[in-house]
Amino acid sequence: NAGVTQTPKFRVLKTGQSMTLLCAQDMNHEYMYWYRQDPGMGLRLIHYSVGEGTTAKGEVPDGYNVSRLKKQNFLLGLESAAPSQTSVYFCASKTTGNTEAFFGQGTRLTVV
Amino acid sequence: AQKVTQAQTEISVVEKEDVTLDCVYETRDTTYYLFWYKQPPSGELVFLIRRNSFDEQNEISGRYSWNFQKSTSSFNFTITASQVVDSAVYFCALSGSIYNFNKFYFGSGTKLNVKP
Repeated sequence: NAGVTQTPKFRVLKTGQSMTLLCAQDMNHEYMYWYRQDPGMGLRLIHYSVGEGTTAKGEVPDGYNVSRLKKQNFLLGLESAAPSQTSVYFCASKTTGNTEAFFGQGTRLTVV
Repeated sequence: AQKVTQAQTEISVVEKEDVTLDCVYETRDTTYYLFWYKQPPSGELVFLIRRNSFDEQNEISGRYSWNFQKSTSSFNFTITASQVVDSAVYFCALSGSIYNFNKFYFGSGTKLNVKP
């Protein structure tokens, strides 16, 4: 019973490099979210998706892009990484309606 | 606008003490949901409780209890007889109406240290 799986768990990037974080869920959830967690700031929403083929901006979308080509996957891309993007990234998914969200284990990204 | 405030950045208690974590929220939605999540040192986020805006009954689950008061826009979390395993960061979160696509707005978290 995998739930929400994030790949990779850790990554170190050099400034200007690009990368993609993968989120996969096996619960057939419609909604998926990408958050970043920074000390003292809680979790802030980067982008979200309400269904396959749809994406929308959250609170802090600048510097990130996303895609939801398949219902079970939600990709977060950094085209040109900056030190300000050093953070822990969490993916979450949920069903429609006001249910709780299920979170992945997080990806710790460091940009040097 | 949706906003969640957890004014307590860090709390330290000795094992077996009771502790209350505060959560104050702001929303213009008439229908909304409140949540508490626990983040232990291992880093994952663990769902604890969901409460809808129409249900102000307090809830108790073992040593955990929650007090929801719409009049003060608060949803406080109390741990009775705290244990070392309760040490974690606790997040309060708000989810708006379906028109807001159920986005979650998190507070900044309260770090609870329970010392033996």
